[in-house]
Amino acid sequence: SYELTQPLSVSVALGQTASVTCGGDNIGGKNVHWYQHQPGQAPVLVMYRDSHRPAGIPERFSGSNSGNTATLTISRAQAGDEGDYYCQVWTSGTYVFGTGTQVTVL
Amino acid sequence: QVQLQQWGAGLLKPSETLSLTCGVSGGSFNNFYWSWIRQPPGKGLEWIGEILHTGRTNYNPSLTSRVTISVDASNNQFSLTLRSVTAADTAVYYCARVASQIISSRYYDYWGQGVLVTVSS
Repeated sequence: SYELTQPLSVSVALGQTASVTCGGDNIGGKNVHWYQHQPGQAPVLVMYRDSHRPAGIPERFSGSNSGNTATLTISRAQAGDEGDYYCQVWTSGTYVFGTGTQVTVL
Repeated sequence: QVQLQQWGAGLLKPSETLSLTCGVSGGSFNNFYWSWIRQPPGKGLEWIGEILHTGRTNYNPSLTSRVTISVDASNNQFSLTLRSVTAADTAVYYCARVASQIISSRYYDYWGQGVLVTVSS
């Protein structure tokens, strides 16, 4: 089965840039989507089809996907950006989520 | 604005059957896949399965022997049944809408609030 690997945690200073990676075999050939999941809330879509932002998501969020790694970048990080971030692909008829990354804003 | 409201029993004993329902309002129910996703305590998200308004289903291969997802399109609802639960099925269960049937858009744009289901003797 297809697997997506993310770093367990990423820390970023307030106002700086955080990068969350998502590794998978030839993931560059797939459409990658990202969710922010904060405690006690439902996940929120923050990026779809690699680099498209849903309405209401700040321009500070951007995404890329190439080779074996997809990346979600959070620029000018704010305290409200803290939470768990999951990448997700659809492959072979199934939905696969990444292992999740906890983002901490210092 | 599409809203998903979910309900069901939150405490089960081992070997019992989990049953949850998700009601959809504020948007079209037809022509969308509707999914169930869960998150065990301290772990990541796991896809359980999905259903189209026609009743067509797809399941996670690891759960397919115990899972049934059904739909009541006339009432804009879909349900999850998970049989023979164990402690490993303890999780927050979410319902969610798949944005489109198009392959490139198989992502979740609307989610329910989540329901914690605990399996304990």
